[in-house]
Amino acid sequence: DAGVIQSPRHEVTEMGQEVTLRCKPISGHDYLFWYRQTMMRGLELLIYFNNNVPIDDSGMPEDRFSAKMPNASFSTLKIQPSEPRDSAVYFCASSLRTSGRALGELFFGEGSRLTVL
Amino acid sequence: DAKTTQPTSMDCAEGRAANLPCNHSTISGNEYVYWYRQIHSQGPQYIIHGLKNNETNEMASLIITEDRKSSTLILPHATLRDTAVYYCIVRSGSYNTDKLIFGTGTRLQVFP
Repeated sequence: DAGVIQSPRHEVTEMGQEVTLRCKPISGHDYLFWYRQTMMRGLELLIYFNNNVPIDDSGMPEDRFSAKMPNASFSTLKIQPSEPRDSAVYFCASSLRTSGRALGELFFGEGSRLTVL
Repeated sequence: DAKTTQPTSMDCAEGRAANLPCNHSTISGNEYVYWYRQIHSQGPQYIIHGLKNNETNEMASLIITEDRKSSTLILPHATLRDTAVYYCIVRSGSYNTDKLIFGTGTRLQVFP
């Protein structure tokens, strides 16, 4: 099992440029989450999908951020235009709902470290 | 959404049990308690979760008080590799709107 795969692992870009982060969830998982982590704000949930449908995007900071999940095996998080304050580690996680009411274990990728100059 | 309160940091000697407390006094009847940890610069790692009963797996034990207002994560024999930030999370939302909101967690330092 390859786990959750994120790319790129590191990205350095200049302010104003478009950034696209990619995530391949674990096969068969029906939930996908995007988190952002900074020293100041900790781990923040940006958006999550269930069966490729966005369920809650209340954590998306502003219109510059958008996320898509065109199919069960791929998701993107796009920032356009990027700003220095977007510098963070972006994590993708996937999960499979277990029986009953419990959300299953979230499996996190290794993260994409973004630096906007 | 139920909030959690954890100590900012804790120390534990290698080989001893690490007991990490979490207060979640506003938890509602159908909300689960989850524990994750994050080792430096890695993605968070699931440890365990529970609703009412105590739970145990190969990594840890979770003790939930009878009134469910608090819980304790127990690492029975801490090792240096258990040094990490430990997050106690109460699942937010209704049945079909799951999300896990991470707080600031407890930074556990295991020393030789």
